[in-house]
Amino acid sequence: GAVVSQHPSWVICKSGTSVKIECRSLDFQATTMFWYRQFPKQSLMLMATSNEGSKATYEQGVEKDKFLINHASLTLSTLTVTSAHPEDSSFYICSARAATTEAFFGQGTRLTVV
Amino acid sequence: GNSVTQMEGPVTLSEEAFLTINCTYTATGYPSLFWYVQYPGEGLQLLLKATKADDKGSNKGFEATYRKETTSFHLEKGSVQVSDSAVYFCALSDQGNTPLVFGKGTRLSVIA
Repeated sequence: GAVVSQHPSWVICKSGTSVKIECRSLDFQATTMFWYRQFPKQSLMLMATSNEGSKATYEQGVEKDKFLINHASLTLSTLTVTSAHPEDSSFYICSARAATTEAFFGQGTRLTVV
Repeated sequence: GNSVTQMEGPVTLSEEAFLTINCTYTATGYPSLFWYVQYPGEGLQLLLKATKADDKGSNKGFEATYRKETTSFHLEKGSVQVSDSAVYFCALSDQGNTPLVFGKGTRLSVIA
């Protein structure tokens, strides 16, 4: 199947700093990418939907100024957690879709803010 | 709106036992249905899918049949292994580039 690469797989940062997570579709053009957040032992919570070349659509309750999403090309979307705090510690997963209904997922990024 | 309900876990089984994880859905149209698996510390992997009624998805010994009459997509495996221990998510998707709707996940633990 198609490959979605997410980087880094884990990151530890100090409170107040910003962290950027990259999501790349390696062998297909992803017109739409999705960013999810997963709390321990819980399901995936959709944070935002990102279409190439346009502004992301955020789900209710997700701060767009805190979670900056950029989808500058058909193969790359980035999520930047700005001014991170310990409560932002979580597992972040990206997903990419093209013309088919199947979604491909990155391997996830575990963010720990200390 | 669309939604997915799956049985709550955790489910603990002995090796070689039969597995069923129930999943039902609510959708306005004719969605595609999926089962994803998440191993500890990893992202989601597609396990199997079905795109229309009566389709059966299968992979690695797992099966699920798209039942429109009961709006269900139950996951089954005849003989589980320790390596099947993971969290399983049922999901649905409309046509087009809409996000998947996930169930809450069911944690499976298989003991030797």
